[in-house]
Amino acid sequence: QKEVEQNSGPLSVPEGAIASLNCTYSDRVSQSFFWYRQYSGKSPELIMSIYSNGDKEDGRFTAQLNKASQYVSLLIRDSQPSDSATYLCAVGPYNQGGKLIFGQGTELSVKP
Amino acid sequence: DADVTQTPRNRITKTGKRIMLECSQTKGHDRMYWYRQDPGLGLRLIYYSFDVKDINKGEISDGYSVSRQAQAKFSLSLESAIPNQTALYFCATSDPAWGIGELFFGEGSRLTVL
Repeated sequence: QKEVEQNSGPLSVPEGAIASLNCTYSDRVSQSFFWYRQYSGKSPELIMSIYSNGDKEDGRFTAQLNKASQYVSLLIRDSQPSDSATYLCAVGPYNQGGKLIFGQGTELSVKP
Repeated sequence: DADVTQTPRNRITKTGKRIMLECSQTKGHDRMYWYRQDPGLGLRLIYYSFDVKDINKGEISDGYSVSRQAQAKFSLSLESAIPNQTALYFCATSDPAWGIGELFFGEGSRLTVL
């Protein structure tokens, strides 16, 4: 079993819809969780981080964390074609900055 | 100019050749990393360094070596390249003061081993 699992997609949503991206992880001691966005041919960039159970909102993005279920998700409201990218879930132990375990990524396509 | 610069950006080589990928950064970060990315496998950590005198193996270090020449420079070497090392390689930096887990990636080096 992979340590961090994501559906590889592609996930296709119409413009203006909510895109829901999911990630599960196997290491119960994980304490830091991140979503990176990677456009085709580009390097990943951090868009959200979350450390506590519950929701964290930043503009159109909401990260949700449930440590009991070992589950983290990313919601993108009012999806735009410019959101079309691969979204990478990353998980790490607290205070081990950079020693992240990445999922395989979910490809999102937002159709105009 | 990019804060994290990788050279070369693209390289085609033959099995058995020695290859070096170089990374330099102007962010002033102490922590540097090398990841490889393969389709369907995400990013996997090869080596990381938390300061000039600190080198650590990651998930998939076999067949690779690294050198931290200075705070700003971190090189990845493939002593004898093999075809399954064909991948996209990323260098990254981080600084806990900027947020734990926030990695700043270079633009990537695409390596093809024939």
